[in-house]
Amino acid sequence: AAGVIQSPRHLIKEKRETATLKCYPIPRHDTVYWYQQGPGQDPQFLISFYEKMQSDKGSIPDRFSAQQFSDYHSELNMSSLELGDSALYFCASSSSGADTQYFGPGTRLTVL
Amino acid sequence: GENVEQHPSTLSVQEGDSAVIKCTYSDSASNYFPWYKQELGKGPQLIIDIRSNVGEKKDQRIAVTLNKTAKHFSLHITETQPEDSAVYFCAALIKAAGNKLTFGGGTRVLVKP
Repeated sequence: AAGVIQSPRHLIKEKRETATLKCYPIPRHDTVYWYQQGPGQDPQFLISFYEKMQSDKGSIPDRFSAQQFSDYHSELNMSSLELGDSALYFCASSSSGADTQYFGPGTRLTVL
Repeated sequence: GENVEQHPSTLSVQEGDSAVIKCTYSDSASNYFPWYKQELGKGPQLIIDIRSNVGEKKDQRIAVTLNKTAKHFSLHITETQPEDSAVYFCAALIKAAGNKLTFGGGTRVLVKP
């Protein structure tokens, strides 16, 4: 079965640079969630989208923004990167009305 | 907001023994409780879930129980195998409040052959 696709899988950036992470949900899933997982920590909710509209917002820094496109894929844009932004970033998807979220393999972001 | 506590943080068991992980949640409005298994360098994989209208659910060697009154739920793995070694996360979700998952702190399970 098709799963959530994330790209790139690994990303290395310098401080103050920008990064864009992409997420392609499972086919026919219209809801996308972004989570950040620091080393040895549990995933923390950042933001979610349903039908291209932001549906919920968590502890996402103002330096980060995200959107969902007409084909339901989503992009997380991160600017003015800081060392503390180094983490695994996961995207999850679900179908409308469903509570089950399926996670992608993640993007490992390293900020030097 | 919701707060989920998970215990123990590490668990070492002998192959063939059972493993039990416990979680408590704070918001009585939570109505969906999934469990995820995360292997090193991979994304969380859903292994079982339970909704608030059910007290117990079983899938082969894995079972989950829910006590809504006490606001706690548990994962039971029987006949553990070395491939069960991973980090396990419990989570809670309030369906009417944006569907964001709040995770417990995770349990690192090591199954010794």
